[in-house]
Amino acid sequence: DGGITQSPKYLFRKEGQNVTLSCEQNLNHDAMYWYRQDPGQGLRLIYYSQIVNDFQKGDIAEGYSVSREKKESFPLTVTSAQKNPTAFYLCASSTGLGGYTFGSGTRLTVV
Amino acid sequence: DAKTTQPPSMDCAEGRAANLPCNHSTISGNEYVYWYRQIHSQGPQYIIHGLKNNETNEMASLIITEDRKSSTLILPHATLRDTAVYYCIVSEYNFNKFYFGSGTKLNVKP
Repeated sequence: DGGITQSPKYLFRKEGQNVTLSCEQNLNHDAMYWYRQDPGQGLRLIYYSQIVNDFQKGDIAEGYSVSREKKESFPLTVTSAQKNPTAFYLCASSTGLGGYTFGSGTRLTVV
Repeated sequence: DAKTTQPPSMDCAEGRAANLPCNHSTISGNEYVYWYRQIHSQGPQYIIHGLKNNETNEMASLIITEDRKSSTLILPHATLRDTAVYYCIVSEYNFNKFYFGSGTKLNVKP
């Protein structure tokens, strides 16, 4: 079945460490997105990519980095510069026309 | 910033219709209205979208006012599994960026 896979489901990180969250899709979608969600809040856009080898900052890109070397993959790195990284991270993709398909999310906790 | 306004929470009795309102008074002519829902700790799930006309699918109906400044999502027979946060989003159709507000927490009660 086609879909988006995010891994791992839960991730723990020590302060000062970088960590990379995986997002893979087999839907042949051109566009991919990363969102952050804090408890009781809506989703906020971190980065998005409309095509391979190109991506743009969203509203809260500071402390994060991405790459889009393959159409299927859009990994997100949470760097040590992100001061409050504990959150629920959601990846999505779309054809560029219409709605999104979301992954099941990665819950990152800084310990 | 989110371009929509939704009530923070609503209650609905199981088996009754749930009517979730959304205001989008600044919507432009080429923007669609999308509805998603998020069950706790899962990714949002697409429900329905529309431009001008009312839409219906197996999950819900979407009623858009004639001036397009507001809409209502209708779940015709709510079940306990419909308890979730429902997001109303306004966005263009081509390579759109979705901006999520806080949504409406729908509590379906037995």
